[in-house]
Amino acid sequence: GENVEQHPSTLSVQEGDSAVIKCTYSDSASNYFPWYKQELGKRPQLIIDIRSNVGEKKDQRIAVTLNKTAKHFSLHITETQPEDSAVYFCAALMDSNYQLIWGAGTKLIIKP
Amino acid sequence: ETGVTQTPRHLVMGMTNKKSLKCEQHLGHNAMYWYKQSAKKPLELMFVYNFKEQTENNSVPSRFSPECPNSSHLFLHLHTLQPEDSALYLCASSQGADPRTDTQYFGPGTRLTVL
Repeated sequence: GENVEQHPSTLSVQEGDSAVIKCTYSDSASNYFPWYKQELGKRPQLIIDIRSNVGEKKDQRIAVTLNKTAKHFSLHITETQPEDSAVYFCAALMDSNYQLIWGAGTKLIIKP
Repeated sequence: ETGVTQTPRHLVMGMTNKKSLKCEQHLGHNAMYWYKQSAKKPLELMFVYNFKEQTENNSVPSRFSPECPNSSHLFLHLHTLQPEDSALYLCASSQGADPRTDTQYFGPGTRLTVL
């Protein structure tokens, strides 16, 4: 079946540095890619998404890039802050049934 | 964060017990979902309801039985579970069932432990 691979599973960066999380998807027809953030003990929340007709989208310190040819997309967080510590999930929309296929998550740790 | 609520927040049950998880959304949404979240694994979509009709059942064992009496409430009935069913069960809702236009809003989850 279709799947999404997410790397790394854990990422530790110094406060103020940048963090990059990468996802690869298998369904070449996927055209929508959201990112969710789940803080410890809290619910996942959508933070940014991108559609296949654009290559990059930014929202303040976060950005997402998409390479349709290579079937991968990435989340970039600049000037990381302690409140960025969380588990981040990527997902890709299956074109056949409009279901989201999720990555396994990346635990981002911001070191003070 | 009271748009989607779940009860109970924690549940410990034996393999022979019968219990139910409840989800309620106060957002006026029409679609509701059950997900299973296990450590270091992708979120697993279990069931989707749209306008109270089940539209997806992702090969979920029959020991999990969903019920959607109306667009605001979703239940997950549990019976004869296995220890490997221990996980965080997340409910979500969205206005419609197309993720491209309808953001999914998650509840806080029920942490289930099967002994």
